[in-house]
Amino acid sequence: AQSVTQLGSHVSVSEGALVLLRCNYSSSVPPYLFWYVQYPNQGLQLLLKYTTGATLVKGINGFEAEFKKSETSFHLTKPSAHMSDAAEYFCAVIANQAGTALIFGKGTTLSVSS
Amino acid sequence: EPEVTQTPSHQVTQMGQEVILRCVPISNHLYFYWYRQILGQKVEFLVSFYNNEISEKSEIFDDQFSVERPDGSNFTLKIRSTKLEDSAMYFCASRTDRGQNNEQFFGPGTRLTVL
Repeated sequence: AQSVTQLGSHVSVSEGALVLLRCNYSSSVPPYLFWYVQYPNQGLQLLLKYTTGATLVKGINGFEAEFKKSETSFHLTKPSAHMSDAAEYFCAVIANQAGTALIFGKGTTLSVSS
Repeated sequence: EPEVTQTPSHQVTQMGQEVILRCVPISNHLYFYWYRQILGQKVEFLVSFYNNEISEKSEIFDDQFSVERPDGSNFTLKIRSTKLEDSAMYFCASRTDRGQNNEQFFGPGTRLTVL
């Protein structure tokens, strides 16, 4: 069965610093991978997704993620953090090839200080 | 921009009571989902619904739970006899029917507190 592990429940960076949020997955088949962001009192919003093709995926708000099959990873990065990036970030994988249910990681809270 | 809405934002109930959580998916979407997040834990899939029937469900979605699309706009989750462990944030999501990997759009959630 598919699963997702997010290393680090809380990441703190300074404004302008690199953001790196880690996600590893386990899957017996090629996965569909997603990053969602949740701002306080709002629903989850899709940042980016990997399905097939180019392994470096660009998303909204300057975020990108790279699918590395050999490392079973899909880490999220942003070159320069902004205060508005403070939120909770969730990595997710489609549960199985026949369905559409998302399997989520535990989430990582990103704090950005000035 | 169209969005998924959920009501109420917070519901408090006594153990053993029935609750109905309501969602209005995006109007041209055809797949609907419920997920939940117990405080401090992962977001977990409960059920998906398409063409007026359940298409997938998790082991969490037992006989205490049911879903319904009573009219052309609402999508509801009913918990028949709530337990303390049902306390969680419940998220509704919807998507179009194009492609297995198509984006799911999430609502802001309903926080259910069972006393």
